[in-house]
Amino acid sequence: QVQLQQSGPGLVKPSQTLSLTCAISGDSVSSNSAAWNWIRQSPSRGLEWLGRTYYRSKWYNEYAASVKSRITINPDTSKNQFSLQLNSVTPEDTAVYYCARALTGTYAFDIWGQGTMVTVSS
Amino acid sequence: DIQMTQSPSSLSASVGDRVTITCRASQDISNSLAWYQQKPGKAPKFLLYAASRLESGVPSRFSGSGSGTDYTLTISSLEPEDFATYYCQQYYNIPRTFGQGTKVEIK
Repeated sequence: QVQLQQSGPGLVKPSQTLSLTCAISGDSVSSNSAAWNWIRQSPSRGLEWLGRTYYRSKWYNEYAASVKSRITINPDTSKNQFSLQLNSVTPEDTAVYYCARALTGTYAFDIWGQGTMVTVSS
Repeated sequence: DIQMTQSPSSLSASVGDRVTITCRASQDISNSLAWYQQKPGKAPKFLLYAASRLESGVPSRFSGSGSGTDYTLTISSLEPEDFATYYCQQYYNIPRTFGQGTKVEIK
């Protein structure tokens, strides 16, 4: 079955870069019928979609306006994974971060990673 | 962005009760709606899509309905494992947006 395994640090200093990776098993990051997403959850902001990457004969990325100037989501086909980089973090970026798959057809987030609690603090 | 508003924010119910949760979108989302269940410390679990289609393996006591801007999730007879927080989410356009959640607690 499809599984997503997240990795990355749980503590990031203000103004630095948050970096997380989501390893895919049972599917391909290059699938023509999936999109690979990052979502975060905090008490103040609830569930917030951050962005996605997907392959449809070429690679596409789409980002939420709230983080568009600071975010990069990259696929890594050699390792079958995708990553999140969020620059210039502040304490407001403290949240649980999830990666998730969305399939064309259902379009909902059917598979989720286990979540990573990231705290922004000096 | 499409705003998703759930009601109520929380409710208390007993095992065996019928429970209905409402989700309202700020514009017509043409049934492009999913529902999730989340338990403490866990990732959300996908329940339904297209407003009323049950994900494989989800118990039939869960059902969804609605159209346009107004949607509902119904649990026909609450089981102990159903006490959790439920979220709606629209996939009509980007950015994807979620409701604020409805916590179903034991009475």
